[in-house]
Amino acid sequence: AQKITQTQPGMFVQEKEAVTLDCTYDTSDQSYGLFWYKQPSSGEMIFLIYQGSYDEQNATEGRYSLNFQKARKSANLVISASQLGDSAMYFCAMRERTGANNLFFGTGTRLTVIP
Amino acid sequence: ETGVTQSPTHLIKTRGQQVTLRCSSQSGHNTVSWYQQALGQGPQFIFQYYREEENGRGNFPPRFSGLQFPNYSSELNVNALELDDSALYLCASSVGTSVYQETQYFGPGTRLLVL
Repeated sequence: AQKITQTQPGMFVQEKEAVTLDCTYDTSDQSYGLFWYKQPSSGEMIFLIYQGSYDEQNATEGRYSLNFQKARKSANLVISASQLGDSAMYFCAMRERTGANNLFFGTGTRLTVIP
Repeated sequence: ETGVTQSPTHLIKTRGQQVTLRCSSQSGHNTVSWYQQALGQGPQFIFQYYREEENGRGNFPPRFSGLQFPNYSSELNVNALELDDSALYLCASSVGTSVYQETQYFGPGTRLLVL
């Protein structure tokens, strides 16, 4: 089974609007971390936001927020007030307490911001 | 800027050759992880080094090997290159190891093309 599932290969959003990128995860660990990264065409993975499995509040970082629904095992990224520079690939990732200390990534969502 | 650098940025090799990719981690980061990202996919974990010892490995054959040095630099070596090894190779550094909350910071990657 896939550890991370991103069901939206591509999304479009109008500049200044908000957009939600979906992510569901699968783990039997009680302790885990969820991460979102942005990957522009240059290739570098840019860390955006983190949510821990025990965090009761949804994480926020500037225009980024994470809608964490633990019972549904979902960790959706919300980008508010989209900007043209937000156009990129977005990856959801998870790190479990057990295992090889690695990040499991989804297949990504390509976001295009329309002027 | 994450402070993680990689060299070279691009590389072209032929099947059967050997290649060495290099990464320089952030100062103070004792852990380096290497990922392979095929076109259109999310990154896949190759292995992780902590204080110069391999600390976890993904589903990659032994011809993928690595080294980590005391000066926060590391190498990924791939022997007997195959066409499917063509990918973006990303290194990521972090402070410690068995902490699921810890963020990994990525370098810009090396694009390898095997002909």
